[in-house]
Amino acid sequence: GQQLNQSPQSMFIQEGEDVSMNCTSSSIFNTWLWYKQEPGEGPVLLIALYKAGELTSNGRLTAQFGITRKDSFLNISASIPSDVGIYFCAGQTGNQFYFGTGTSLTVIP
Amino acid sequence: NAGVTQTPKFRILKIGQSMTLQCTQDMNHNYMYWYRQDPGMGLKLIYYSVGAGITDKGEVPNGYNVSRSTTEDFPLRLELAAPSQTSVYFCASSLPGLAGFETQYFGPGTRLLVL
Repeated sequence: GQQLNQSPQSMFIQEGEDVSMNCTSSSIFNTWLWYKQEPGEGPVLLIALYKAGELTSNGRLTAQFGITRKDSFLNISASIPSDVGIYFCAGQTGNQFYFGTGTSLTVIP
Repeated sequence: NAGVTQTPKFRILKIGQSMTLQCTQDMNHNYMYWYRQDPGMGLKLIYYSVGAGITDKGEVPNGYNVSRSTTEDFPLRLELAAPSQTSVYFCASSLPGLAGFETQYFGPGTRLLVL
């Protein structure tokens, strides 16, 4: 199957700091997606990216679709305690979605 | 709207037993999906459906079966449970088309333990 490598695996940051995480793949994707998952819940979509080079923001979140279509990054600015959770990237090709292994974010007040 | 609902929330199975995980959505979405999430890992697609009567395999379909007789329901069947099927199972649904296809709405998950 498709392999999405997500890094870092975990992050511990102070409230107010900026966060950056990325996702790389050996395959090309048509769409890149970023999700957040909180304990005991299903993932919730944060940002969707549709074309190479696209840069999209959603409040304090910014994500970019890599030029090669094989990577994407997510930035969170001025982190707050409620940003805690696991962030997943996902790539879409055809009707199939492939998820990264997640970045666990802990925000220290 | 209840969104995507899944039952049961938690189940323990013995090896070789069978069970059906239920998934229902009330958003009139054409597309529905089943994923499994192993501890510390991302989600892997088991099966998906683009409409009633149409199903297709995802990345990890072995050991599972699905059916889609109505738009609302997409049950996942485990015929002979194995310890490797211990996981959290998520159902999701979405609209077709560029504007809605990628916006999958996930259910709360079913935690399955096979002993």
